[in-house]
Amino acid sequence: DTAVSQTPKYLVTQMGNDKSIKCEQNLGHDTMYWYKQDSKKFLKIMFSYNNKELIINETVPNRFSPKSPDKAHLNLHINSLELGDSAVYFCASSQRGYNTGELFFGEGSRLTVL
Amino acid sequence: QQQVKQSPQSLIVQKGGISIINCAYENTAFDYFPWYQQFPGKGPALLIAIRPDVSEKKEGRFTISFNKSAKQFSLHIMDSQPGDSATYFCAARIQQTSGSRLTFGEGTQLTVNP
Repeated sequence: DTAVSQTPKYLVTQMGNDKSIKCEQNLGHDTMYWYKQDSKKFLKIMFSYNNKELIINETVPNRFSPKSPDKAHLNLHINSLELGDSAVYFCASSQRGYNTGELFFGEGSRLTVL
Repeated sequence: QQQVKQSPQSLIVQKGGISIINCAYENTAFDYFPWYQQFPGKGPALLIAIRPDVSEKKEGRFTISFNKSAKQFSLHIMDSQPGDSATYFCAARIQQTSGSRLTFGEGTQLTVNP
């Protein structure tokens, strides 16, 4: 069983389009995240949700809208895609208050904007 | 103050050699320092972690050395193997009222030649 699964794995789309990435975790964690990894492999946090409540929003353009229908799911919708949005987007989860603070990552969704 | 600086950006080591990756931080509120390993096409995964009250932690061939006064920590991979070829990220955790947050270093691309 995959602990953190995200779909789709690849997205190729034109500038100006809208796209969504879905994420689900079966670890029973209460905190979920979206990270963006750029072409230089730099990992940057975008959003964090705890029990469906937004707790971190890292100055991400408002074209990016996360939605957490329940604590096991965190989706990312992106409007009006731009070339600079091309990256790998990782969903992750952790147990808030968990002593080690370990993040469990999905395998990533590679977004290419043409 | 939230930054974690990592070096080198890339590292090539011969099989059996020692790989050393260094990280430095400024914020003394960081309370947990994990290292993540990322293989191509996969998400980062926790490799080993240390708390600031410990100067060294060893797990198999992987050792973290931690220098609290210098605000530096490093990952040593002994007897490096081709299977260790991956991108390595150091990270630092800060606890906030909104939850914990991990800040990642820029990553080190390690290549171990056979």
